[in-house]
Parts: sequence; C-alpha cells; structure tokens
Amino acid sequence: AQSVTQPDIHITVSEGASLELRCNYSYGATPYLFWYVQSPGQGLQLLLKYFSGDTLVQGIKGFEAEFKRSQSSFNLRKPSVHWSDAAEYFCAVGVEFFGNEKLTFGTGTRLTIIP
Amino acid sequence: DAGVTQSPTHLIKTRGQQVTLRCSPISGHKSVSWYQQVLGQGPQFIFQYYEKEERGRGNFPDRFSARQFPNYSSELNVNALLLGDSALYLCASSLAKRTGYTFGSGTRLTVV
Repeated sequence: AQSVTQPDIHITVSEGASLELRCNYSYGATPYLFWYVQSPGQGLQLLLKYFSGDTLVQGIKGFEAEFKRSQSSFNLRKPSVHWSDAAEYFCAVGVEFFGNEKLTFGTGTRLTIIP
Repeated sequence: DAGVTQSPTHLIKTRGQQVTLRCSPISGHKSVSWYQQVLGQGPQFIFQYYEKEERGRGNFPDRFSARQFPNYSSELNVNALLLGDSALYLCASSLAKRTGYTFGSGTRLTVV
C-alpha cells in the first residue's frame, strides 16, 4: 500500500527566507504526486502536481517541487516566503483507482512565518 | 465558474444521530470523492464516485454511505454517529484522470 511521510510537523521561517518542505512516499509504481495547502478552517488548494515528464514542477504562488525517484521524494520549495504563505502543507500520492486517482495524504507540515 | 461547494459549513449532532452532507462539483466534473480530516491529520479517503457509480471505498465502516446524482452532485451519509466522527469532511471533484482534484471548503461536523 502507498504511504506518504512528511518528517517535519512544524517549520518556522523568516519572511523573505527560502523554504523547503520534505515529502517521502512509498509506492511500487510510478506515483502521481501532489502538494496542497490548507489555511485554517479552509479546504485544500492544489499548489502543483506531477504525473510524468519533467521532474521539476512549477506551481502557483511561486512554489516548485522536484521529483527524485532514487530518493522517493517530492520536496516543495520556494525561494522567498511571504507572510501569506503561513498555512498547513500536505503532500499526497495518487494511485489509479477505477479510472481516477485515490489520494493518500501525509500528516502535514505547519508553516509559521516570522517577521 | 463556481468551485466545489459543500453544505452545510458547520453542524453539531448528538451521538447516535444521522447526518447528511452535500457536495456540488465544478460544472463538467463527473468524478466526486469524499475525504475525512480529523484535527491535526491529513485527509483520509472515504469514497469515490464516477458517473453515479461507486468506484472506490476507503477503510470506513458501513455506517458511512454516499451516492451521486444525475447532475453529479453527491451526498455523504453517516449513521449512528460516534464522537470519533467529529472531523472536517471534504468533497473533491475532478474533470478527468491526471488533472488533479479541486477541493471544497468542507463541512465541519462536531458530534457531542
């Protein structure tokens, strides 16, 4: 069965500093990978997704992620964070499931931004 | 275009009661999935529907059921509520495979 590990429960970053959120997955075949962001009391917003092709994926809000098959990782990066980036970030692996994808999520990383 | 809409946004129920949550997908999206997110955890897959047929079920008891209507909207029903059912219930819709899911803002269910 597939699984996702987000090793960092909570990360604090200064505004303007760079960010990297870690994600490791376990899945036997080529995975579909996603990063979602969730603000308090809100649903999930898709930041970026990887299905195949170029392993460096660009997303919204200046985020990018790199798929590294050898490390089973899909880390999320941003060169310079803004206070509005404070939120919960979820990595997910999608597996084909009766014609569509079923998502398995990690436990999330809470990002705090300090001035 | 409207996003995925869910209703109600919040509700409080008593143990043993039954609840129905509703979801309207993005226009044109035929696939709807339901997820449960307990506080402090990532969402967990409950159901997936496509073209009004159940295409998958997660590891949830039979107290959980769902259906999809001809207009592709969906309902999630939970019977005999337990305190542990308290969670944010998220609905997501998708246009086709490999396009990703769009989530609604969820229904916050509190069981007392």
